This record gives sequence, structure tokens and C-alpha cells, in this order.
Amino acid sequence: GAGVSQSPSNKVTEKGKDVELRCDPISGHTALYWYRQSLGQGLEFLIYFQGNSAPDKSGLPSDRFSAERTGGSVSTLTIQRTQQEDSAVYLCASSPDYYGYTFGSGTRLTVV
Amino acid sequence: EDQVTQSPEALRLQEGESSSLNCSYTVSGLRGLFWYRQDPGKGPEFLFTLYSAGEEKEKERLKATLTKKESFLHITAPKPEDSATYLCAVTNFNKFYFGSGTKLNVKP
Repeated sequence: GAGVSQSPSNKVTEKGKDVELRCDPISGHTALYWYRQSLGQGLEFLIYFQGNSAPDKSGLPSDRFSAERTGGSVSTLTIQRTQQEDSAVYLCASSPDYYGYTFGSGTRLTVV
Repeated sequence: EDQVTQSPEALRLQEGESSSLNCSYTVSGLRGLFWYRQDPGKGPEFLFTLYSAGEEKEKERLKATLTKKESFLHITAPKPEDSATYLCAVTNFNKFYFGSGTKLNVKP
């Protein structure tokens, strides 16, 4: 597609429920990042996929967070047993290399 | 510790009042420094990439410069539509490091 697509754009969930956030990167982009941005805060790195290499999961805040990338394209970020502190905008970015990352518009997650 | 620090956190300017935003970094093995613009409710929009000290890039009223320790985003004669949060990021090929951003408000 023309850009990075994220879905849903908004998600409201009850505390304790699991949620899945989807990212469709630009076709052919080998690198994919997940970030989250809490209100008024900077971007917090979560996880990084590069081609077929093992992902860099060093930014995942707890074992409730996991992500996968199928076929080197679509990525899904899963948050289990959501907590109120998980409320944030989750951003996905992709790149053909290490430069010129393109961000999606994000998924705004609200845990109530 | 590898980190990126942006200042000021917030900046209020009158239309036409030029100023600069700062991004200082301590990331080792710099391979690129990026500036993004983020409007409320949207993902960051790429502005510039700088690769080496002394490099400069320009786009309309914006000019980005880079030294070995910091980068400046100069805004010349800003307009209200320049109001946004400006994010700085650094990569060393292993990871991206983002600053917390500078929230710019340009008043007419």
C-alpha cells in the first residue's frame, strides 16, 4: 500500500481483556518497529523486526506483551490481561533499511 | 547510557518570531539523526535525516543542522500551521532512540 496501515484506529477495552493491534507495513519494507506513546510522553520502543532475524524484544514492558510478524509483512502486537497503564497510542513504523522510517497513524488504546 | 534529550519541552512563539529547537544525544556509533513532526492524533511525519557533523538540510521554514553532540531545528518566521510536536530520533543501526519532543505553539 501507499503507507503504513494500522488497525483499529481506536480501541476501548475492559481491564483484564486481551487485545490485538495490527500493522500492515509498506510492501517490501524489511524493518518494522512498534512503539507506544503515552499522553504527553515521547516514543517508547517496544519491539523491532528486521527481515528474518530474531526480533529485538528488549523494549517490551512485561510478559503480557508479545508481537509477531508473519511472512515478513503484517505484524500483530498482542497485550494480554490489559491494565489501565497500558492505555497509550501504539505506533508502528516500517523502513526498507535503517533510514526514512514511515509511521502509521497509530492505534489509540484505552483500558477502562 | 544511550539517550536523546530535547529542549525546550514546550515553546510558544509569535508568528514570525524565529527560534531553534535542540536535540542532544549520547548514543554511541551514530548512523543517522532524524527529525519528525507530529500533529495531535497522528503518527510522526518524517522531516529530515542527517548523517554526519556539519550536514544541513532545509525544507520551507525549517533548517536542521548536526554536530557531534547535538542537532538544531531552526524555524524561521514560523506560521501557526507550524504548531506541532517536533521529535528527534537517533539510530546506531541497532535501535532507534527518540527524544520526548518539543511542543511548538505558534500564535497568530
